[in-house]
Amino acid sequence: GENVEQHPSTLSVQEGDSAVIKCTYSDSASNYFPWYKQELGKGPQLIIDIRSNVGEKKDQRIAVTLNKTAKHFSLHITETQPEDSAVYFCAASMGNQGGKLIFGQGTELSVKP
Amino acid sequence: DGGITQSPKYLFRKEGQNVTLSCEQNLNHDAMYWYRQDPGQGLRLIYYSQIVNDFQKGDIAEGYSVSREKKESFPLTVTSAQKNPTAFYLCASSPHRLAGAADTQYFGPGTRLTVL
Repeated sequence: GENVEQHPSTLSVQEGDSAVIKCTYSDSASNYFPWYKQELGKGPQLIIDIRSNVGEKKDQRIAVTLNKTAKHFSLHITETQPEDSAVYFCAASMGNQGGKLIFGQGTELSVKP
Repeated sequence: DGGITQSPKYLFRKEGQNVTLSCEQNLNHDAMYWYRQDPGQGLRLIYYSQIVNDFQKGDIAEGYSVSREKKESFPLTVTSAQKNPTAFYLCASSPHRLAGAADTQYFGPGTRLTVL
């Protein structure tokens, strides 16, 4: 079946450094790619998303890039802060099944002060 | 979380009992979803509903049931047939299903179910 691979599973950076999380998807019909941040014991919160008609999107310290040819998309966080510490999930839409999303396994980001 | 509520936050169940998890949204969203999350894993889709009185099985529907009698409510019942129900359950909603395009999903705060 279709799947999304997410790497790395854990990531530790120093405050102020950049963090990059990468995802690969298999469904060539996927056209929507959201990223979620989940704090311990809470529901995931959407932080940024991108559709297949653009290659990059930025929102302050967060950016997402999409390479449709290679079926890769990545989350970039610059100037990391301790409050960025959380689990981050990528997801890809299932192209022929409307609103369904397939999620990656998650990346636990730790930002050390 | 805004606009999507799940209750209770924590739920304990004895083996062999059915239990119902509540999900309510006041966002006027058409579509609603139930996911299961196990430690160190991503979210797996249990059931989803694109419109009132209609719902479809997700990837792990066995041992679960749902209903969608009202637009704002999508309760999930974990039955005794679910072999390993201890998990974190997340409900989500999205505005509407666009033809040929997926919609943003917004999540509730979750319910942690523990089977004793």
